[in-house]
Amino acid sequence: QVQLKESGPGLVKPSLTLSLTCTVSGFSLSSYGVIWVRQPPGKGLEWMGVIWGNGNTNYNSALKSRLSISRDTSKSQVFLKMNNLQTEDTAMYFCARGPFDYWGQGVMVTVSS
Amino acid sequence: DVVMTQTPVSLPVSLGGQASISCRSSQSLVHSNGNTYLHWYLQKPGQSPQLLIYRVSNRFSGVPDRFSGSGSGTDFTLKISRVEPEDLGDYYCLQSTHFPYTFGAGTKLELK
Repeated sequence: QVQLKESGPGLVKPSLTLSLTCTVSGFSLSSYGVIWVRQPPGKGLEWMGVIWGNGNTNYNSALKSRLSISRDTSKSQVFLKMNNLQTEDTAMYFCARGPFDYWGQGVMVTVSS
Repeated sequence: DVVMTQTPVSLPVSLGGQASISCRSSQSLVHSNGNTYLHWYLQKPGQSPQLLIYRVSNRFSGVPDRFSGSGSGTDFTLKISRVEPEDLGDYYCLQSTHFPYTFGAGTKLELK
């Protein structure tokens, strides 16, 4: 069955870089894209970016200067890196299979000194 | 960016009743390939969003037929008939026609 699971540090200091991993199973990263979405506490959903099955990427222009998405198909893993974190980046971070059909459980990231 | 205006913000319903949620986009969601990429999600507390309806009117696997989606162009509706307790939560529309993909602000379906 299709599964996605996010992992990463729960706490990041301001100005540092966030690194998250999405480990997938039940499908091939060469056939499906993986999308990153985040949700600040008590707020709505924000699309961050996607890495497609062919390896191309698209990013939300609001985050593009800070965001990078990559993958290791041999390990079935997708990576998110976002630099210069601020307190407003505190959120639950989800990965989802393109076309947004299956989602991981999410990982909470708090930006605080 | 495409703005998705979702109404109402809160929707009190009675169990067994009907609910209707509207989502309007600031520009047409018809893709150049002819498809319309408008989807509906339910997010229950502490959970990730779950796909209900994809491309306007297609129910995702396992979604009861109490859920139906309709609309075209810039105006879309999700209807829930015979509301059950497990239907309560936050509903979101999502457009994936234009970059950046954007979500509606959400509708909280709660008991009257």
